[in-house]
Amino acid sequence: EVQLLESGGGLVQPGGSLRLSCAASGLTFNNFARSWVRQAPGKGLEWVGAISGNGGSTYYADSVKGRFTMSRDNSKNTVYLQMNSLRADDTAVYYCARNYGDQEGFFDYWGQGTLVTVSS
Amino acid sequence: QSVLTQPPSASGTPGQRVTISCSGSSSNIGTKTVNWYQQLPGTAPKLLIYRNNQRPSGVPDRFSGSKSGTSASLAISGLQSEDEADYFCAAWDDRLNGWVFGGGTKLTVL
Repeated sequence: EVQLLESGGGLVQPGGSLRLSCAASGLTFNNFARSWVRQAPGKGLEWVGAISGNGGSTYYADSVKGRFTMSRDNSKNTVYLQMNSLRADDTAVYYCARNYGDQEGFFDYWGQGTLVTVSS
Repeated sequence: QSVLTQPPSASGTPGQRVTISCSGSSSNIGTKTVNWYQQLPGTAPKLLIYRNNQRPSGVPDRFSGSKSGTSASLAISGLQSEDEADYFCAAWDDRLNGWVFGGGTKLTVL
């Protein structure tokens, strides 16, 4: 069974940092880009960023640019999201998803999500 | 404010046909393909329609997608109670250089 499993969420104070992980199992995802998509409580989906299959390229939403950094370790089939300078409006469930294709592609596999709460 | 515009809610009775619209611009829907995601209560989103009108394996043919100009639509025929969910459209945006989503439409089966 193909699975994406996020971990690393939790409660963090404003201005703090957190690192999320997204591990893939059941299939090698190394040739595929992966994205993070978040959903604030009771709100819609917001794309956060994407990293290419080899990790050489990254793309970020303006709302997180300069604060969040994506990386990947293909030997572990895992993608990371380093989140710094966290703000209250970063509170959300963070989903990891596989990108199938480029700009004409889509998110075909999703993880179950991990909750990040930014609060003092 | 989402880049793609969807109605916040839609409803129908079992067996009915409902459509959900998604409006964008020339930098996204006008030049890129549209995907739709279904999010059942308390679960992660799931791919429902890709590249405007393609269904992944396992998605019933009651679900269909279309695109015209800078707008797209999701149609659900033979509405069933298990279709009650949130539906999101998405596309790449050339101006923002990233993926954009609609605000989501909550479908209620009456």
